[in-house]
Amino acid sequence: GAVVSQHPSWVICKSGTSVKIECRSLDFQATTMFWYRQFPKQSLMLMATSNEGSKATYEQGVEKDKFLINHASLTLSTLTVTSAHPEDSSFYICSARAGKQFFGPGTRLTVL
Amino acid sequence: SQELEQSPQSLIVQEGKNLTINCTSSKTLYGLYWYKQKYGEGLIFLMMLQKGGEEKSHEKITAKLDEKKQQSSLHITASQPSHAGIYLCGADKGSQGNLIFGKGTKLSVKP
Repeated sequence: GAVVSQHPSWVICKSGTSVKIECRSLDFQATTMFWYRQFPKQSLMLMATSNEGSKATYEQGVEKDKFLINHASLTLSTLTVTSAHPEDSSFYICSARAGKQFFGPGTRLTVL
Repeated sequence: SQELEQSPQSLIVQEGKNLTINCTSSKTLYGLYWYKQKYGEGLIFLMMLQKGGEEKSHEKITAKLDEKKQQSSLHITASQPSHAGIYLCGADKGSQGNLIFGKGTKLSVKP
């Protein structure tokens, strides 16, 4: 099946700094990628839809200025958490569709 | 808005026993997905169901979508410790292909 990778797999940062997470489709092109967030013992919640060459579509309640999404190519979408705070600590997962929806392995963000 | 409700929330079974996890939607399902997740890891695709009455099997896992396309069940036969994890059902939310998820069912299998 199709492979989606994420980098880094985990990151620890200080409050107030920005963190960039990459999502790549390794063996297929994805005009659309999705970013989800998962808090401990919770389900995945869609944050935004990343569209290649255009602006991302954010779900209600997700701050677009805080979670910057750039879909620069057909195989790469990046999520930048700006001015991170401890409440942003979470598990971030991206996905891309190739028939079925394939998920990356996730990135665990811890903000101290 | 559409919601997916999974039951049970958690399940502990003895190795070798059968079990069933249910996923109920508040609206008609046009694409129902089952994923398995180990805590802190990505999602592993298990099965996708689209047609009412559809049933798919892979190894010891069988998933069904009812005729009305509002409920799906995931059945594991002769469970093994390797089946342990969190099972999530997801449904197509919009035309762009994003999914909404149920809250998951945590499965533990006792050796």
